[in-house]
Amino acid sequence: DTEVTQTPKHLVMGMTNKKSLKCEQHMGHRAMYWYKQKAKKPPELMFVYSYEKLSINESVPSRFSPECPNSSLLNLHLHALQPEDSALYLCASSQGTLLATSTDTQYFGPGTRLTVL
Amino acid sequence: AQSVTQLDSHVSVSEGTPVLLRCNYSSSYSPSLFWYVQHPNKGLQLLLKYTSAATLVKGINGFEAEFKKSETSFHLTKPSAHMSDAAEYFCVVANQAGTALIFGKGTTLSVSS
Repeated sequence: DTEVTQTPKHLVMGMTNKKSLKCEQHMGHRAMYWYKQKAKKPPELMFVYSYEKLSINESVPSRFSPECPNSSLLNLHLHALQPEDSALYLCASSQGTLLATSTDTQYFGPGTRLTVL
Repeated sequence: AQSVTQLDSHVSVSEGTPVLLRCNYSSSYSPSLFWYVQHPNKGLQLLLKYTSAATLVKGINGFEAEFKKSETSFHLTKPSAHMSDAAEYFCVVANQAGTALIFGKGTTLSVSS
């Protein structure tokens, strides 16, 4: 099973709301990622967790707060977002952070479509 | 620094004709290269990957890509397009540490009947 699940599929929130996006995988992967994708653009890396520790933060504003409660779950907590944060948020996982090897591959979830009003 | 350039932002083909999506890479080391496909309002699906084994890589759904070091290219091909191939295609390179993926800008493939 190479499935990464994300909930919710769609989310509409106001600028003063607090919400969370959830991502789950049961492939035993130890690396998990958050990407942001605007319309007609490639995904942009936001965060990388490796063995439940934050290893890469691509200078993401603090209104986005990631959390990795265990090796299967990855959350993205949202607070005081702006309309320009509206996008598709993609979660991905891989066995490790050795994407340059033949044995490791990054698998993506279907995404959460976020609209900030 | 490593990067990929997708040479066409939009490619249109007729059903049953060959598909060619072009990608050039820039890397100071032997790169790991991938093609991902994204159907409308969906996540990304891995089509194939190259990691310094065979230069001709076969993927899912009849796609294949050839790594050409002399041309720094990794073009994606399919002998016969199907309507279901209409999607956004991303050429991707792993960074040298292997910790993250670097995406090209994408090529939109349209297939007409």
